[in-house]
Order: sequence, then structure tokens, then C-alpha cells
Amino acid sequence: KQEVTQIPAALSVPEGENLVLNCSFTDSAIYNLQWFRQDPGKGLTSLLLIQSSQREQTSGRLNASLDKSSGRSTLYIAASQPGDSATYLCAVNSEEGAQKLVFGQGTRLTINP
Amino acid sequence: NAGVTQTPKFQVLKTGQSMTLQCAQDMNHNSMYWYRQDPGMGLRLIYYSASEGTTDKGEVPNGYNVSRLNKREFSLRLESAAPSQTSVYFCASSETGQVYGYTFGSGTRLTVV
Repeated sequence: KQEVTQIPAALSVPEGENLVLNCSFTDSAIYNLQWFRQDPGKGLTSLLLIQSSQREQTSGRLNASLDKSSGRSTLYIAASQPGDSATYLCAVNSEEGAQKLVFGQGTRLTINP
Repeated sequence: NAGVTQTPKFQVLKTGQSMTLQCAQDMNHNSMYWYRQDPGMGLRLIYYSASEGTTDKGEVPNGYNVSRLNKREFSLRLESAAPSQTSVYFCASSETGQVYGYTFGSGTRLTVV
């Protein structure tokens, strides 16, 4: 059974810092991995999707990497801003066809002005 | 705006009551999903529908039923609500294939007393 872990559960950093969020998964046979952002009381917003054949994806100040063999992904946020404060979740899909995601518990990020 | 619409946004039920959570998407996606999110936990898949006319169980299907009414709509029914079903429920949709991300609704916060 696929299990996804995100450490730390919470992170607080000053504005302007570059930071890395970590995600690990137990079964390396995945089709893709997604990173989501969730604001309090809101739904999830897809940030980046990495296919199993890719090593990384970039969108603006965000860069996600994938190392299937070690079962790890990182989300790098450059020049953090208070507006980046949210919970970040990673999720993996291990099946073809419908994307049945297995989620980590999330990292709650706070950027202090 | 295009996206996934869930109704209602909030609901309080008494133990044993029934209700249906509604979900509709206007992106012409083939696949639709229902997840629940509990405090301190990631999202867990309840049911999914890979395409119109098909439904299948996810990780935590007990106590729930679903209907894929047409390509746009996917409903989740609680026949006899229990306090353990107190949670935030999210509907999502995606296109078939591994290159596409998810689109989530804004969630239904359900309390069973």
C-alpha cells in the first residue's frame, strides 16, 4: 500500500528566504506526483504535476523535483512572500487511467513579514 | 468561471439522517472523485468515476454511495449518517491521462451530531 509522508508538519520562515518542502513515498512505481496548495477553509489548487518520466517541473518561483528511485520529491519556493503562507500537500498516483491520488498530511507553511 | 461546483457548502446532520452531496464540473473531464479530509490527515479517496457510467471504490467507501448522473455530475450519498463521517468533503475532476492535474471544488463541511 502506497504511503506518503511530509516532513515537517509545520514550518515558519522569514519573508525572502528560499525554502524546501519534502515529500516521501513508499512505492516507487508511480505514474505522477502532484503538489497542491490549500488555503484555510478552501479547496486545493494544483501547483505542479511531475510525470514519472520527468525529473522536475517549474512554475514561476516554484520548482518541484522527483526522484522515483529514492521515493522522494521536493518543492522549492524561491524568495518566499507572506502570500505563500498556506498548507502544501503532495500526492502520488500509482495507477493508470483514473488518477487515484494518495496524499501526504501536508506541511503548514507560515511566511513572516 | 470554469471549475468544480459543490453544494451545499455547510451541513449539519443528526445521526441516522441521510443526505446527498452534489458535484458538477464544466470542464468536460472524464474522471471525477470524492475525497474526505480529516484534521491532521491528508485527503482520502472515497469513490471515483473513471468515466461516465462507471464508479469504483476508493480507500474509505464504507457508509457511502455514489452516482455518476452524467459526464458533468457526480453525487455522494450518506444513507445513515454517523459521527465518524464528520469531515470536509471534496469533489474533484481530471482529464484522462497522466499529464493532467486535478481541479478541486471548494468543499462541503459536514457535521454529524
